[in-house]
Amino acid sequence: AQRVTQPEKLLSVFKGAPVELKCNYSYSGSPELFWYVQYSRQRLQLLLRHISRESIKGFTADLNKGETSFHLKKPFAQEEDSAMYYCALSLTGGGNKLTFGTGTQLKVEL
Amino acid sequence: DVKVTQSSRYLVKRTGEKVFLECVQDMDHENMFWYRQDPGLGLRLIYFSYDVKMKEKGDIPEGYSVSREKKERFSLILESASTNQTSMYLCASSSPIRPARGGYTFGSGTRLTVV
Repeated sequence: AQRVTQPEKLLSVFKGAPVELKCNYSYSGSPELFWYVQYSRQRLQLLLRHISRESIKGFTADLNKGETSFHLKKPFAQEEDSAMYYCALSLTGGGNKLTFGTGTQLKVEL
Repeated sequence: DVKVTQSSRYLVKRTGEKVFLECVQDMDHENMFWYRQDPGLGLRLIYFSYDVKMKEKGDIPEGYSVSREKKERFSLILESASTNQTSMYLCASSSPIRPARGGYTFGSGTRLTVV
């Protein structure tokens, strides 16, 4: 069965420091990977997806099939980046069903 | 512009009660999902539906059932609520068509407490 692992429950960085939220997955096929974010008192929302190869709010994520990873990165953390981040995987032919990781709480300190 | 609406933000129910959680979306999405969100466990899929009157079990369906009589509405039912079902319940919808597939729109959640 597919699995998404986010090894860090909490990541604390200082404002202006680089951020890397780790995500590893286990799946033998060709997955689609996503990052979702939940800001305090807000709904969970899509941040970015690997097929779009986009940068959203300064965040990027590259799918590394060799290392089965999809780490989320930002060169300079901002206070407003503080949130819960979830990595998610959708299987090819899986009918759009997402498997989520356990989440990483990012705290950006001043 | 609320697109996925969950009828209740907070609910308190007694053990053994039958509980209904309602979710409505206005985006004409085929796919709808129910997850529960627990600290340290992330989001776990309970049930999902690809079409009206269609349902499939997710990873943790025990103790739950669902109903989808209309495309826009997906209901989660706790047949006999238990304390271990105390959780945040999230409804989501999505289109199955690329590039939107995988892009869920979530509701604001229902925090259910079973006492």
